[in-house]
Amino acid sequence: SAVISQKPSRDICQRGTSLTIQCQVDSQVTMMFWYRQQPGQSLTLIATANQGSEATYESGFVIDKFPISRPNLTFSTLTVSNLSPEDSSIYLCSVDGGVAFFGQGTRLTVV
Amino acid sequence: DQQVKQNSPSLSVQEGRISILNCDYTNSMFDYFLWYKKYPAEGPTFLISISSIKDKNEDGRFTVFLNKSAKHLSLHIVPSQPGDSAVYFCAASEGSGGGADGLTFGKGTHLIIQP
Repeated sequence: SAVISQKPSRDICQRGTSLTIQCQVDSQVTMMFWYRQQPGQSLTLIATANQGSEATYESGFVIDKFPISRPNLTFSTLTVSNLSPEDSSIYLCSVDGGVAFFGQGTRLTVV
Repeated sequence: DQQVKQNSPSLSVQEGRISILNCDYTNSMFDYFLWYKKYPAEGPTFLISISSIKDKNEDGRFTVFLNKSAKHLSLHIVPSQPGDSAVYFCAASEGSGGGADGLTFGKGTHLIIQP
């Protein structure tokens, strides 16, 4: 199983600002995935990040709001832009290892 | 429309007894099912899975049962221990195994083991 480290673990941000979440994996992986869990809701896939190409976004998620970088095979960032209270969620990084493995998550609160 | 449903937001069970967590799905194309366990301030961790060609999979204290005709699966924990207190997510995929790009999750059930 992969070891996935996410930073920050939590943050409180002002409306209109942005937060960048970092995800580091202890081994090289082709694809990395970003999920969101809104309060009381299920985990929802935001996008898939491949190294060297633009991320692929799921329906309802757009690049302007959730820009993603994937500079190498062990690292990715997710930025949540122009924050509003509705963005208050847990954001999770994930990789494939037969089944999905997750980082510890980033709890974002927008005030 | 929620394709994976966990209708019990919480469940309280006495230590030593059996815990049964339920999950229903609507998409008949789902062919692989997983259970994840999540502690506060941690990410979900994989617990057990089952392919649609089976109706039961067992791993130690954990057993998952699949009833395809009813589109229902359940996770049994016997005996329940205090460390089992966590949120349990049911997940399903269609043609991608348990891969992270094809999972549909339920909202989770908070299991509380009472001493």
